[in-house]
Amino acid sequence: EVQLVESGGGLVQPGGSLRLSCAASGFTFSDHYMDWVRQAPGKGLEWVGRTRNKANSYTTEYAASVKGRFTISRDDSKNSLYLQMNSLKTEDTAVYYCARELGDLGRDYWGQGTLVTVSS
Amino acid sequence: SYELTQPPSVSVSPGQTARITCSGDALPEQYAYWYQQKPGQAPVLVIYKDSERPSGIPERFSGSSSGTTVTLTISGVQAEDEADYYCQSADSSGTYVFGTGTKVTVL
Repeated sequence: EVQLVESGGGLVQPGGSLRLSCAASGFTFSDHYMDWVRQAPGKGLEWVGRTRNKANSYTTEYAASVKGRFTISRDDSKNSLYLQMNSLKTEDTAVYYCARELGDLGRDYWGQGTLVTVSS
Repeated sequence: SYELTQPPSVSVSPGQTARITCSGDALPEQYAYWYQQKPGQAPVLVIYKDSERPSGIPERFSGSSSGTTVTLTISGVQAEDEADYYCQSADSSGTYVFGTGTKVTVL
């Protein structure tokens, strides 16, 4: 059974940093692109970014709203995906989801999300 | 920045048909995807590549595309279909974007 479990959320002050993790199981993690998607309280979904697999040089892409502040990485030996968030702003407050990407087949599995609150 | 526009809400009686549109300039060149999200839950993929249905998704969910608009159709709506629905696609640079979201209410 495919499972994605996010962790690392919490309360952080504006300007601070936080690192989220996503533990994957039930599939060959190293084969897949992985995405981060967030949802502010009461708002819609926002794509944060993605990392490709080793075959595609682990290249990353980011939404304009987080580019230069957030970094996506992965450790295939640990079946884990990470989101390093720096220079956090109040508008980064959201539930952060990791999702498995199947290219043209879409994002077929999602974690349950972890809440990040940026507030003083 | 690129935007995908959806109606904020759609209301439908049980057994009727709900249609949700999503408009975006790059849709003729990029695939569209649809996700269903119920309160407190993660999104679920219901349509991929404009009109394909993942395994386990009921046949009453279908997708179509025409020019700069894609449409999710729910035929024979059931109470359990009440949820928020989001389209998703990419802009010309390959950056992904979600639509504004549509709340489907089953009367």
